[in-house]
Amino acid sequence: DAGITQSPRHKVTETGTPVTLRCHQTENHRYMYWYRQDPGHGLRLIHYSYGVKDTDKGEVSDGYSVSRSKTEDFLLTLESATSSQTSVYFCAISPGGVRGNQPQHFGDGTRLSIL
Amino acid sequence: SQQGEEDPQALSIQEGENATMNCSYKTSINNLQWYRQNSGRGLVHLILIRSNEREKHSGRLRVTLDTSKKSSSLLITASRAADTASYFCATDGGAQKLVFGQGTRLTINP
Repeated sequence: DAGITQSPRHKVTETGTPVTLRCHQTENHRYMYWYRQDPGHGLRLIHYSYGVKDTDKGEVSDGYSVSRSKTEDFLLTLESATSSQTSVYFCAISPGGVRGNQPQHFGDGTRLSIL
Repeated sequence: SQQGEEDPQALSIQEGENATMNCSYKTSINNLQWYRQNSGRGLVHLILIRSNEREKHSGRLRVTLDTSKKSSSLLITASRAADTASYFCATDGGAQKLVFGQGTRLTINP
């Protein structure tokens, strides 16, 4: 398995609180991605990073921010969590990005419940 | 918006039989990828097929790509109980992002 660690693995929090999810990789891959997976929607891209301090929005970026200050860490922040952000969040990494015909390697996810 | 869409949504077969899943997409692509997801786990990459390729094999997996029909199929031969999982296709759609379909839930019955 690719060296990807997501933390925490499970979290329950209340509406309006800030939440930060962490993705840590040991593969030195350039690209990192955050997805959410919901029934009926499959996986949807939230944000991705193509290098330290280089990020871009995905399909469902509203309400989320990201930061990447080191190659190995990619943080996803919900500034003020809402119940609609209850989901399973996956981090993925890739050495060369989609146009480089490179596959993505996924972590095991963070199950986030917002009450 | 959904780029790849899998068909069927669910498939149940007996162990030893072959399983075929289909994926359709809407725009031109550089490559199409198939992933497997076991319950409670992250996605695992299976095969990447480039737009100029028509067929690719990996062990018991065979993937075909028809760019004229904007469709792909994943064939798993001689299925095993361990193949029970959800299978997703993903396309780049010409952009630097992967777009996933909703997946096919495959159940292999002993």
